[in-house]
Amino acid sequence: EAGVVQSPRYKIIEKKQPVAFWCNPISGHNTLYWYLQNLGQGPELLIRYENEEAVDDSQLPKDRFSAERLKGVDSTLKIQPAELGDSAVYLCASSDPYSGGPYNEQFFGPGTRLTVL
Amino acid sequence: KQEVTQIPAALSVPEGENLVLNCSFTDSAIYNLQWFRQDPGKGLTSLLLIQSSQREQTSGRLNASLDKSSGRSTLYIAASQPGDSATYLCAVSGNTGKLIFGQGTTLQVKP
Repeated sequence: EAGVVQSPRYKIIEKKQPVAFWCNPISGHNTLYWYLQNLGQGPELLIRYENEEAVDDSQLPKDRFSAERLKGVDSTLKIQPAELGDSAVYLCASSDPYSGGPYNEQFFGPGTRLTVL
Repeated sequence: KQEVTQIPAALSVPEGENLVLNCSFTDSAIYNLQWFRQDPGKGLTSLLLIQSSQREQTSGRLNASLDKSSGRSTLYIAASQPGDSATYLCAVSGNTGKLIFGQGTTLQVKP
């Protein structure tokens, strides 16, 4: 079974430029998460989707960040314009609370490392 | 507000040693606790998940325990190997599914 796929793996941009990250969750997982991980820190949730609905976006800086999951499968996270402080790793995860296995076990992708110059 | 703390922040041990990583959380109303491994430049690999009704979970040389009432979990690694070198993160989840992470313990196992 394929894991969570993210692209690109690395992105270097200049400040004030836009950037987008893409995530494809594990097949059949209806819950998708975007996390932000700063260097030396644990990940922090940005947004959680149940199918195509964003059910928790309280930590998403909505002035510059946006996300979508139009068909309830893959998702895009966008930053416009990027700032120096946005340099971090952006992780995508998915889970399937109805699988019969451990409830809400989350599986993570490899992340996108963003560097803003 | 839930806060998760991991001690120590870094640990260096010789190969073959048994070791314990600690995780504490401030709000005992959790749904589950998950231990992850993160290699440099990589994503997170789930190691063990303990439901709130469970006391421990085991996988190979790993054993995780949970004492929800005291807000503590430990990850025990038996007979450590250089390949165990990584950052270990614990995270707790409420019934909304949101994971709250600790800052991690960076482990180095020396040959």
